[in-house]
Amino acid sequence: KAGVTQTPRYLIKTRGQQVTLSCSPISGHRSVSWYQQTPGQGLQFLFEYFSETQRNKGNFPGRFSGRQFSNSRSEMNVSTLELGDSALYLCASRGPNTGELFFGEGSRLTVL
Amino acid sequence: AQSVTQLGSHVSVSEGALVLLRCNYSSSVPPYLFWYVQYPNQGLQLLLKYTSAATLVKGINGFEAEFKKSETSFHLTKPSAHMSDAAEYFCAVTTGGGLNDKIIFGKGTRLHILP
Repeated sequence: KAGVTQTPRYLIKTRGQQVTLSCSPISGHRSVSWYQQTPGQGLQFLFEYFSETQRNKGNFPGRFSGRQFSNSRSEMNVSTLELGDSALYLCASRGPNTGELFFGEGSRLTVL
Repeated sequence: AQSVTQLGSHVSVSEGALVLLRCNYSSSVPPYLFWYVQYPNQGLQLLLKYTSAATLVKGINGFEAEFKKSETSFHLTKPSAHMSDAAEYFCAVTTGGGLNDKIIFGKGTRLHILP
């Protein structure tokens, strides 16, 4: 069974640009969560989508947005990039009523 | 609000020694608790989870954790450390009473194994 796939793995952007990250969950999983990981703040919850609807949301500004498609694949978008957005963005999927998150390897974003 | 505190951002133990990584939680409802491990340049992998069945939970790679409600703790232990255990470990808790609720993580503890 294929795991969670995130693309791209690495990317470099400049301030003011926008970026889109993609996540394909494990087959059959309808929940996709996104986390931002930085050395100073650890893992911060961004949002979770379930069956194309945002089910939970963290405390991030509106520049951070996401969506989920009918095949459960998810994208997150960050607009007007700031230096502080440099981070590892992790996507995780989970099946119903198990609690367990299955993580992808992440997309490492560097903002110059 | 639910929260997780991991004591010690870095822990060093000698190979063969006991590993103890501390986690305390705050929850207004009975929590579900997890320990995850992250190796360099990888995502997180579940080590074990507590879902109110048994208070002593056994996980992969010889790790176990004990849920202590009176101490609001869920410390992770392993009797004998191996070099391959060097990684970052995260404690996590659900924010509601269900397994579909949002999961929040502690800031992590980096485990160093000394030869």
